[in-house]
Order: sequence, then structure tokens, then C-alpha cells
Amino acid sequence: TQLLEQSPQFLSIQEGENLTVYCNSSSVFSSLQWYRQEPGEGPVLLVTVVTGGEVKKLKRLTFQFGDARKDSSLHITAAQPGDTGLYLCAGAGSGGGADGLTFGKGTHLIIQP
Amino acid sequence: EPEVTQTPSHQVTQMGQEVILRCVPISNHLYFYWYRQILGQKVEFLVSFYNNEISEKSEIFDDQFSVERPDGSNFTLKIRSTKLEDSAMYFCACAVHNEQFFGPGTRLTVL
Repeated sequence: TQLLEQSPQFLSIQEGENLTVYCNSSSVFSSLQWYRQEPGEGPVLLVTVVTGGEVKKLKRLTFQFGDARKDSSLHITAAQPGDTGLYLCAGAGSGGGADGLTFGKGTHLIIQP
Repeated sequence: EPEVTQTPSHQVTQMGQEVILRCVPISNHLYFYWYRQILGQKVEFLVSFYNNEISEKSEIFDDQFSVERPDGSNFTLKIRSTKLEDSAMYFCACAVHNEQFFGPGTRLTVL
């Protein structure tokens, strides 16, 4: 059974600060996706990383996939109140598109003005 | 921008009743999925569907569950005899390659 551990579970910081959240596993994933989920809504895809060591940037968000494809991080620079939300990582196995995603429990992020 | 849609947004049913949750995936996507999320817990994979058949299913997806793509657009999840523990948000998702796009969910409440 593949498991993804996200840390921290909760994070509250001031506007303008930087932060990093982590997604770790003992399993290798063929790709890893980061989502953001608002209460009562479906996860919204932010980014997909596929290659070990890959770094992708989305404005102030930087995503990195570990070299061994077992872990990933999300770094937010100069956090804004609009970044508040639940961030989920999800990994895909080696079965290609047919694979279901394994989700972490998420990081609840609060950015205080 | 194309989106996944799901109906109904909220379904309330009595224990033992059958429910059908409906999804309209993005039109050119080939892979279809159902997930559930019990309140306060993580999103869990139920089943994937490709080329008109189940590709993969989790331990949660037992004989009470079935999926169907009755026409070219709809993708349904049927729960034959609902239990209290089936209360959850159910999300449909679809993919072309390795990126899965989720619908807004159906909140199922079993009384």
C-alpha cells in the first residue's frame, strides 16, 4: 500500500513570509500532483511533476519532485491571504492513466494579513 | 475552459436505498475515475475506467458499487444498497494522460 505523508498538517503564518510544505513516501511514484481544495469543493490541479529532480514554478509557488521520485515539496514565496487553503499532494503509480491517485491528508495553510 | 460537472450536488437517501451519482467528464478525456472523501479525511480512490471497462479498483469498491458509461458523455457511480458509512463527498475525475481533473463533487448523506 502506497502512503503519502504531508507535513506540516497545519501552518499559520503572516502575510509576506515564505513557507515550505512537504510530501513524503517510501514508495516511488511515476508522477506527483499538487492540488488545492476549498471547503465543500473538488481538488483543483495546480501542477504535475514527472521527472526526478524536476522543478516547476507557478507564480510565487515552486514545486520540486525528489530525485528518487518519492517525495515533493511546495514552496510559497511572500505568502498572500489568497494562498489560504488546503494543499494536497497525490501520487500516481506505474500503471499510467489507469492508476488511481494516492492522496496525502493535506496541509491546512492560513495566511494572516 | 472545459470542466467536469457532477449531479446532484447533494443527495440525501435512506439506508438501504440505491443511489446513482452522475458525472459529465471533459469531452476529449479518456480515463475516468471516482473518488470519495469522508468528512475530515483524505481523498480515497475508488475505481478507474478506460475503454468501457474497469481498469483498477480499490478495496473500498466492493460489490455494492458499480460504474457505467451509458452513452458518450455520462459516467455514473451506482451504490446498490447504501450504508451509513457511505456518507461522503464523491468526486468524479478524468484525464487525458497523467493529469487528473476533478469535478465539484456530490455530497451523499445516508440517514
